[in-house]
Amino acid sequence: DQQVKQNSPSLSVQEGRISILNCDYTNSMFDYFLWYKKYPAEGPTFLISISSIKDKNEDGRFTVFLNKSAKHLSLHIVPSQPGDSAVYFCAASAGSGGYNKLIFGAGTRLAVHP
Amino acid sequence: EPEVTQTPSHQVTQMGQEVILRCVPISNHLYFYWYRQILGQKVEFLVSFYNNEISEKSEIFDDQFSVERPDGSNFTLKIRSTKLEDSAMYFCASRSTLEQFFGPGTRLTVL
Repeated sequence: DQQVKQNSPSLSVQEGRISILNCDYTNSMFDYFLWYKKYPAEGPTFLISISSIKDKNEDGRFTVFLNKSAKHLSLHIVPSQPGDSAVYFCAASAGSGGYNKLIFGAGTRLAVHP
Repeated sequence: EPEVTQTPSHQVTQMGQEVILRCVPISNHLYFYWYRQILGQKVEFLVSFYNNEISEKSEIFDDQFSVERPDGSNFTLKIRSTKLEDSAMYFCASRSTLEQFFGPGTRLTVL
């Protein structure tokens, strides 16, 4: 089941630069998208989300962009900090009025180095 | 800040034994979930629970699994007869709006 794909298993970025994490999806019924951050031995921590009626949502250093026609979303982190080093998961759900099970991508490991 | 809690953090059991994983969701949340992550694999949906009943379950959630909200605060996942392939991190999540908030997980090791 590859409904949500994160094709880059890892990304290395210098501190202060922009990190761009990408996610593609195949199910056109998805209408809500979320990004989670995960440290080892911890649960996923919610970062930011976007509804399919929008194309951009911003929260501090984090911005999520959604391109519905391309079925693609991306998370931008500016400026990147060493504390951002973690695994980032893209997740999607269908039917925002329903029970909203999340379908996760495989994750991208971000390393921010000084 | 309210958070989802899970106990135990690590459970080791013998194959064929029953285990109960416990979660305390955020208090005003109405929707509850269990997910699992086998080592090296994706986080997978198991079951959702609303209004004291299962609202959706995945094909993983077979007759060996059950969920319960016994007392209005706890939310439990029971595996009746564990198999080796049940070894994974199990995450509980809850929500009131559209964002799900996850607990720290229980690492289940089946020997």
